[in-house]
Amino acid sequence: GAVVSQHPSWVICKSGTSVKIECRSLDFQATTMFWYRQFPKQSLMLMATSNEGSKATYEQGVEKDKFLINHASLTLSTLTVTSAHPEDSSFYICSATLRQEPEPQHFGDGTRLSIL
Amino acid sequence: GQNIDQPTEMTATEGAIVQINCTYQTSGFNGLFWYQQHAGEAPTFLSYNVLDGLEEKGRFSSFLSRSKGYSYLLLKELQMKDSASYLCAALDSNYQLIWGAGTKLIIKP
Repeated sequence: GAVVSQHPSWVICKSGTSVKIECRSLDFQATTMFWYRQFPKQSLMLMATSNEGSKATYEQGVEKDKFLINHASLTLSTLTVTSAHPEDSSFYICSATLRQEPEPQHFGDGTRLSIL
Repeated sequence: GQNIDQPTEMTATEGAIVQINCTYQTSGFNGLFWYQQHAGEAPTFLSYNVLDGLEEKGRFSSFLSRSKGYSYLLLKELQMKDSASYLCAALDSNYQLIWGAGTKLIIKP
């Protein structure tokens, strides 16, 4: 149980393109979803926390107009990287939790984004 | 501030035992998680401790001492596939996960 699906796995696109990444909880309703970014050989960096039906809470230094997060339902959150540039190339990973209690975060497989 | 410390890298031999330590300082505490992350992949959940003591799961065990702000992950009978990064993360009073930078474990034959 507790499967999180993330799509797409790989994206290669030109600079200036907007890219949408989907994160779905397949067999549970996720009250909270998290978006992380990870550069090569570095730790996970939390970008934002997303609760269904409310605005995402962004971490310091993360541009909310650049990284648009929509959490329209208990099973789907999307991250849109708007007008992506080469410095946005990274590994983006979503995770979800069932409820706000001690509960492991269940991770999607991640999306490798390469901006040319 | 909130902080998680764990070694950057460790090396061990196949078949041996290795202990990865983690110390934490958080605003409140609701438990400690260990995750495994292979290169290029997302993390996978290994263990959760909220009470003091040792939790054993097959070849992997995790220990917690709340009074010392300390945890360790113990891996026995090491296999080559255990080569990965091991992430320690503490849950604070707001149920926010505070992540360590990860320990890269290299297994040698």
